[in-house]
Amino acid sequence: DTGVSQNPRHKITKRGQNVTFRCDPISEHNRLYWYRQTLGQGPEFLTYFQNEAQLEKSRLLSDRFSAERPKGSFSTLEIQRTEQGDSAMYLCASSLAFGTGAYEQYFGPGTRLTVT
Amino acid sequence: QKEVEQDPGPLSVPEGAIVSLNCTYSNSAFQYFMWYRQYSRKGPELLMYTYSSGNKEDGRFTAQVDKSSKYISLFIRDSQPSDSATYLCAMIRQTGANNLFFGTGTRLTVIP
Repeated sequence: DTGVSQNPRHKITKRGQNVTFRCDPISEHNRLYWYRQTLGQGPEFLTYFQNEAQLEKSRLLSDRFSAERPKGSFSTLEIQRTEQGDSAMYLCASSLAFGTGAYEQYFGPGTRLTVT
Repeated sequence: QKEVEQDPGPLSVPEGAIVSLNCTYSNSAFQYFMWYRQYSRKGPELLMYTYSSGNKEDGRFTAQVDKSSKYISLFIRDSQPSDSATYLCAMIRQTGANNLFFGTGTRLTVIP
């Protein structure tokens, strides 16, 4: 068990470009969450998947954001037409779907996005 | 007003001190209460969590929940320089997506 991994760790892009981040959860975890964290703030929920189904999206997830988890394993988060306000740390977390493990979310190291 | 409030600090204590970290919340639907530790430029690490009211102890760490006051605490005994980090409280509602609602985090420095 290598934990949750995220790639890339850091992405610098120019305003208006598209970016895509990848998250590989802990292998037996059915649930996968995306959060965004800005400097000096706690993470904020964006969306989550149970297996391949995207079950909930926050209103923070504008139309420029899309997330997928096509085979119920890894997930991608794409931001189209990036804006400077998108600069943040994007965190992925995973958990089991049932039992007490459903409340234990384990985070990856995050992808730090800088939009210039 | 945010659903979860946490004093951002910073908080500096000498090595060996007892540290008290606190959060308040407004949503009565929160049933699970977590504490995460986050080192600079890293992802949050789950320290411990409790369900509903009560205490839970894990080594040098003790978590307390008082649902009647909507107040949770994390105590760190015999604090070490390696405890220097940002501590985030987080909460989950009984129903729904199980997504975490975080406080802003308290930055702690333990001085050798």
